[in-house]
Amino acid sequence: DTGVSQNPRHKITKRGQNVTFRCDPISEHNRLYWYRQTLGQGPEFLTYFQNEAQLEKSRLLSDRFSAERPKGSFSTLEIQRTEQGDSAMYLCASNWGTPNTEAFFGQGTRLTVV
Amino acid sequence: GESVGLHLPTLSVQEGDNSIINCAYSNSASDYFIWYKQESGKGPQFIIDIRSNMDKRQGQRVTVLLNKTVKHLSLQIAATQPGDSAVYFCAENNGAAGNKLTFGGGTRVLVKP
Repeated sequence: DTGVSQNPRHKITKRGQNVTFRCDPISEHNRLYWYRQTLGQGPEFLTYFQNEAQLEKSRLLSDRFSAERPKGSFSTLEIQRTEQGDSAMYLCASNWGTPNTEAFFGQGTRLTVV
Repeated sequence: GESVGLHLPTLSVQEGDNSIINCAYSNSASDYFIWYKQESGKGPQFIIDIRSNMDKRQGQRVTVLLNKTVKHLSLQIAATQPGDSAVYFCAENNGAAGNKLTFGGGTRVLVKP
């Protein structure tokens, strides 16, 4: 498989629980992005990595959210003490770090907080 | 502020007709634009891109037009097929700002048989 892979595809959790999502980017890509998408809206940028370095975080990324990319390959996004407002599709994308190159998206992880 | 928006939230088109989806952007520093197609329950799928030094680019059945004067771009789909039914997003990027994309709200295209 040469595409971006995300796991799990769906996650239902109770409010207050912690969740972790995983993204495996296209193997040659050095940049990895996390986006969040709510129903009927376009994806919103959360954060991105170049190799293992987290270079930018959006204001949307509250202190309950943390992302890592320890070896510059796969990445994890953790949400602590989930709230109902965290329910969304979490999308991962990757590309080369050269300017103006398309980002390839995974199928996303659908999070539902009950 | 930086924003990308779409004029029409829903577009119904007869199978075989051409579709035109419009998008406005506000960041004059954006130098790269992408159209994505998103089917229900799936991630966005790249359709076509255009750089700011171009005003038109053609792909297979799709054409993107960029008008920097009025900060507008459009996606034209020729001979629309049932498989084209999806939500379409335009996204902008300022290459100097890290390649992160700013998306608009999306246009749903419904193809009628």
